[in-house]
Amino acid sequence: GENVEQHPSTLSVQEGDSAVIKCTYSDSASNYFPWYKQELGKRPQLIIDIRSNVGEKKDQRIAVTLNKTAKHFSLHITETQPEDSAVYFCAAPFYSGTYKYIFGTGTRLKVLA
Amino acid sequence: DGGITQSPKYLFRKEGQNVTLSCEQNLNHDAMYWYRQDPGQGLRLIYYSQIVNDFQKGDIAEGYSVSREKKESFPLTVTSAQKNPTAFYLCASSPREIPYGYTFGSGTRLTVV
Repeated sequence: GENVEQHPSTLSVQEGDSAVIKCTYSDSASNYFPWYKQELGKRPQLIIDIRSNVGEKKDQRIAVTLNKTAKHFSLHITETQPEDSAVYFCAAPFYSGTYKYIFGTGTRLKVLA
Repeated sequence: DGGITQSPKYLFRKEGQNVTLSCEQNLNHDAMYWYRQDPGQGLRLIYYSQIVNDFQKGDIAEGYSVSREKKESFPLTVTSAQKNPTAFYLCASSPREIPYGYTFGSGTRLTVV
C-alpha cells in the first residue's frame, strides 16, 4: 500500500546540536523525496529535496540522504538554531495517472536555547 | 502568496451548511490538490486533479466535493455530510509530468460553530 512512516514524532535538541529525522516509504518506484518545514499556523515550505539518482544532497546546514535499497531517507540539520523549531514533514510520490504525495505524520522539532 | 491563493483565511460554518473554499493558482500548473490537516497531525489527501474536468478521490474524500472547470481554479466544497469538518485545509499545485515539490497556498482554517 501507499505508506510513509516518519520518526520521531517529537525531537528536542540543544542549540548547536544536530537533529536527524527519518522516513521510510513503501513504493520502490518513488523517485523524488521532498522535505517541508511548517511553522505554527503557516503553510508548509519546501526546504530541500532529493531525486533517486543521488544518495545525498546538502544545502548549508541542511542535508538529506537517501537509501533506495532500504527505502528510507533522512533529514539532517546541523548547528541547530531556535528558528529551526517547527514541524517537519517528509513526503514520497505515488503515481496513479498523476503524482500525488503521501506525507509522513510530522516531527515537531524544538531547539532549546 | 507565491502564485497560489486560498480564500478565505478563516471560515465559520454552522452545522448542516455547505461551504466552499477557494483555491486559485497562476503558476500554469496542471495538477492541483486538497489536503486536510488536523491539530498536531499530518496532511491527508482529500481530492486531486491533473487536468481540467477530471479529478480523483484521495484517502478521505467522503463529505467533500470538488470541481475543475478551469486550469487555474480548484474549489473544495465541504458538505453537511462531513461530520467533523473543523480543520486546516491546504491547497497545493505542481507540474504534472514528473514529480516536483508542491507549492502550497496559505490555507483556510474552517471551524464549525
